[in-house]
Amino acid sequence: KAGVTQTPRYLIKTRGQQVTLSCSPISGHRSVSWYQQTPGQGLQFLFEYFSETQRNKGNFPGRFSGRQFSNSRSEMNVSTLELGDSALYLCASSLSSGGNNEQFFGPGTRLTVL
Amino acid sequence: TQLLEQSPQFLSIQEGENLTVYCNSSSVFSSLQWYRQEPGEGPVLLVTVVTGGEVKKLKRLTFQFGDARKDSSLHITAAQPGDTGLYLCAGARNDYKLSFGAGTTVTVRA
Repeated sequence: KAGVTQTPRYLIKTRGQQVTLSCSPISGHRSVSWYQQTPGQGLQFLFEYFSETQRNKGNFPGRFSGRQFSNSRSEMNVSTLELGDSALYLCASSLSSGGNNEQFFGPGTRLTVL
Repeated sequence: TQLLEQSPQFLSIQEGENLTVYCNSSSVFSSLQWYRQEPGEGPVLLVTVVTGGEVKKLKRLTFQFGDARKDSSLHITAAQPGDTGLYLCAGARNDYKLSFGAGTTVTVRA
């Protein structure tokens, strides 16, 4: 069974631009969660989608948004990029919603904002 | 402020030595997970502990969940270079969110 895939793996943007990251979960998994990982803050929860609905949201500004499609694939969008948005963005899929479910992580998208 | 505090932040030991990583919180968790992350990869789940006082063993790795379900520890016996990585604990609460600790970077020297 193929694992979680994320595209692109690396991205360089400049301040003020916007970016869209993509995540394809493991086949059969209906929940996708997004995390931001930085050396200073560690892994911070962004949001979770289940059956095309946002189920949970972390403490991030409205510039961070996401969506999930009927095939469970998910995208996250960051508008008006800031230098502090440079991070590794990870998505994780699980069979069902909620932190108690085993989450399988993708390799991440490394975003650099210049 | 992290909901889960991990210690130590960094650990460098010689092959064959033992090590323990701690994960502490003032909050109660319904379950606690341990992950290992290697450079350029996403975290990989090692174990999930659910019951207070639970001990799980995975080869040379021993995981313990505190009686009050607020803390956990990971002990590695006779560490090997392949154990090198970032170890993360993550706690699940009733709000369905998973909160991660900042991680412990373990380096095992050959």
